[in-house]
Amino acid sequence: NAGVTQTPKFRVLKTGQSMTLLCAQDMNHEYMYWYRQDPGMGLRLIHYSVGEGTTAKGEVPDGYNVSRLKKQNFLLGLESAAPSQTSVYFCASSLYYNEQFFGPGTRLTVL
Amino acid sequence: GESVGLHLPTLSVQEGDNSIINCAYSNSASDYFIWYKQESGKGPQFIIDIRSNMDKRQGQRVTVLLNKTVKHLSLQIAATQPGDSAVYFCAENGPQFYFGTGTSLTVIP
Repeated sequence: NAGVTQTPKFRVLKTGQSMTLLCAQDMNHEYMYWYRQDPGMGLRLIHYSVGEGTTAKGEVPDGYNVSRLKKQNFLLGLESAAPSQTSVYFCASSLYYNEQFFGPGTRLTVL
Repeated sequence: GESVGLHLPTLSVQEGDNSIINCAYSNSASDYFIWYKQESGKGPQFIIDIRSNMDKRQGQRVTVLLNKTVKHLSLQIAATQPGDSAVYFCAENGPQFYFGTGTSLTVIP
């Protein structure tokens, strides 16, 4: 039982490049989330999903897109990376409206 | 959006003492709250939760108190240990959860 895993762990991008972050969970959770964490800002919700095939915007969705084609996977895409998207990205999942299980994070730097 | 804030950004305690971490929230309709612990370089980890129909909930060495009148949460850690050193976040509501900026707890041996 791996819990929540994230790929990759580290990435450096140049401004304008695109990339996809992958989140996978093996707990059969319905809800999945993408957060970003910046120094002094705490965790901010980017997008979330309440089930396979559904997505919704969170607090800071601009510049990101997501897809939940399979229940166990939640993908976060950056179409044209900007330096302001330099951050640590966390994926989380939960069974319902309750305790979230977090992945180890992806550290992204945009130059 | 909703705001969740913490009274103190840092807290230092002696090993063996009790720790109290505070959190204020602004949405009086919030009905569910969670405390998370985040160690350096790791993702947040669930500690304890509480629903708005409760005032207090206890776990192993931790207690969460909820005061709905003043919209305040606190996390009490008994007999604080060096392994408790971390950043502690409170989060309110769901499915969108709003996190505070965190309190950094340092345990002095």
